[in-house]
Amino acid sequence: NAGVTQTPKFRILKIGQSMTLQCTQDMNHNYMYWYRQDPGMGLKLIYYSVGAGITDKGEVPNGYNVSRSTTEDFPLRLELAAPSQTSVYFCASRLDSISYEQYFGPGTRLTVT
Amino acid sequence: DQQVKQNSPSLSVQEGRISILNCDYTNSMFDYFLWYKKYPAEGPTFLISISSIKDKNEDGRFTVFLNKSAKHLSLHIVPSQPGDSAVYFCAASGYNNNDMRFGAGTRLTVKP
Repeated sequence: NAGVTQTPKFRILKIGQSMTLQCTQDMNHNYMYWYRQDPGMGLKLIYYSVGAGITDKGEVPNGYNVSRSTTEDFPLRLELAAPSQTSVYFCASRLDSISYEQYFGPGTRLTVT
Repeated sequence: DQQVKQNSPSLSVQEGRISILNCDYTNSMFDYFLWYKKYPAEGPTFLISISSIKDKNEDGRFTVFLNKSAKHLSLHIVPSQPGDSAVYFCAASGYNNNDMRFGAGTRLTVKP
């Protein structure tokens, strides 16, 4: 099992550009999450999904969009990149509603200049 | 609104001694608490957890203590090893576990 994989590892965007951060898990987990971590801060939830076709907003959803067409994939879309979106982005998954442990990917470091 | 706080950004201990990492929370609706460990350039990995119905949970060298009245939990590592050097995040969740809140992390350095 590869677990949770994220691509790319690093990216530099210009203001106003768009991009998609990819996230894939091979553990057949129902729940998937996107977090961002700013320097000196804890992880903050952007969006989450409880299954294919179902997504919902987290604590900091503005400026982002998600989709969940399959169990495995949960891409995060930035439409108009802004400097405030410079952060490290983590994707995570967990098995079901009973389990609490989340499994994290290695992260994507994004810089918007 | 930081509902989970780790007030010590860093902690340094000698190998073989005890490491104690602290975490405070403000939301009385949290009922499950977790500790994650993070190495540089990697994602957080789950370490240990505790339900609000318990006050202690042990797993090998790691013990988590929960004091609900004080809204405080702590992670004890005994004995500490150099490989334990990492950033430790405290996290808390309500009943549905879809809005987990994380502290800012404590960087632990264990010196040989």
